[in-house]
Amino acid sequence: EAQVTQNPRYLITVTGKKLTVTCSQNMNHEYMSWYRQDPGLGLRQIYYSMNVEVTDKGDVPEGYKVSRKEKRNFPLILESPSPNQTSLYFCASSLMGSSYSNQPQHFGDGTRLSIL
Amino acid sequence: GQNIDQPTEMTATEGAIVQINCTYQTSGFNGLFWYQQHAGEAPTFLSYNVLDGLEEKGRFSSFLSRSKGYSYLLLKELQMKDSASYLCAVRDRSNDYKLSFGAGTTVTVRA
Repeated sequence: EAQVTQNPRYLITVTGKKLTVTCSQNMNHEYMSWYRQDPGLGLRQIYYSMNVEVTDKGDVPEGYKVSRKEKRNFPLILESPSPNQTSLYFCASSLMGSSYSNQPQHFGDGTRLSIL
Repeated sequence: GQNIDQPTEMTATEGAIVQINCTYQTSGFNGLFWYQQHAGEAPTFLSYNVLDGLEEKGRFSSFLSRSKGYSYLLLKELQMKDSASYLCAVRDRSNDYKLSFGAGTTVTVRA
């Protein structure tokens, strides 16, 4: 089954304790992206990647890191989490190229992070 | 970036029709997507418009006017399961793969 898998689904942790949210897709998609979703603000892009070892900042990258060592995986790293990073996080992936411009992004089930 | 506006909430009766409007401002429009998102779940793709006009998919239709920076999603024969948030997302030529999302419209279907 084609899917984007995120782990963990839920996490409560404390300020300053490094954490990683994993994201894996089995559709051989080049493009992967991380979003956070907050009430009234919609989905905002944190980081994205267009291929292995190619990553770039989105609209709200501060406090986050990513890596893309393999095509299927795109982990989100919070080196020193703070309470303002409490949010619902989604990973998404899609095909790239002009032939696929109508192809949507596929989303994982989300990770709810609470930073105390 | 894009400025994407949608109404915050709408309520409708089972069996009725609801139209969700989305207006956007972008320097290089390159496609508009509608997603459905049930509470606490992942967004799922509904429709895509890149040319002016209406795209119909069963009970759901989406319309685009590029000159007006305007789209709507039409939900017909509403069912209780259509209660969800509907997200409008726009792609810009300056970054062909990035989607910019509106804040979403929460639709509540009442019996």
